[in-house]
Amino acid sequence: GIQVEQSPPDLILQEGANSTLRCNFSDSVNNLQWFHQNPWGQLINLFYIPSGTKQNGRLSATTVATERYSLLYISSSQTTDSGVYFCAAWFYGGSQGNLIFGKGTKLSVKP
Amino acid sequence: GAGVSQSPSNKVTEKGKDVELRCDPISGHTALYWYRQSLGQGLEFLIYFQGNSAPDKSGLPSDRFSAERTGGSVSTLTIQRTQQEDSAVYLCASSPSITRGGVTQYFGPGTRLLVL
Repeated sequence: GIQVEQSPPDLILQEGANSTLRCNFSDSVNNLQWFHQNPWGQLINLFYIPSGTKQNGRLSATTVATERYSLLYISSSQTTDSGVYFCAAWFYGGSQGNLIFGKGTKLSVKP
Repeated sequence: GAGVSQSPSNKVTEKGKDVELRCDPISGHTALYWYRQSLGQGLEFLIYFQGNSAPDKSGLPSDRFSAERTGGSVSTLTIQRTQQEDSAVYLCASSPSITRGGVTQYFGPGTRLLVL
């Protein structure tokens, strides 16, 4: 089946630093999403990005579908950015779809 | 409603008991999904509904797990004869539909299940 791998598994940043999170997927997928899970467990959609680049404030994401990877950029990090970042690949086969998650990158931003 | 809601928010049960978890999707969303997140792990897809129909139940961990959706709205995930390894956060999500290209899923706050 499709494998979704994220790196790094853990990341500690000083407030104000920039970072890049990577997501590799093993097969062609129909789409890719990035989520942020805050320390209270709530999952928030960040980007829905099958290809190209999108930006939302200090966050941006790029997916290169032909090379099977996606990147999430966090600039000028803040303590509120702490949490786990998941990427998930949407795979649609036959008549059904499935969202396959990576194991996440745990980000801690220190003041 | 304003978002996806789940109940109960926390559930502690004894091994061997049955539990029922409920999900109320965003009004008008035809697709509904269930996931499980074990401690420190990623999300494991369990099942999804398009309307009241679940095309593929192979993601359910065992035959102790079942799910249903009625009226194209509320869904219930039932775990019979709970085991300690069932302890996890059970997350529900909904989306306007399911398409080949995928759609943005909106997640509820989850139900934290602890089996003693």
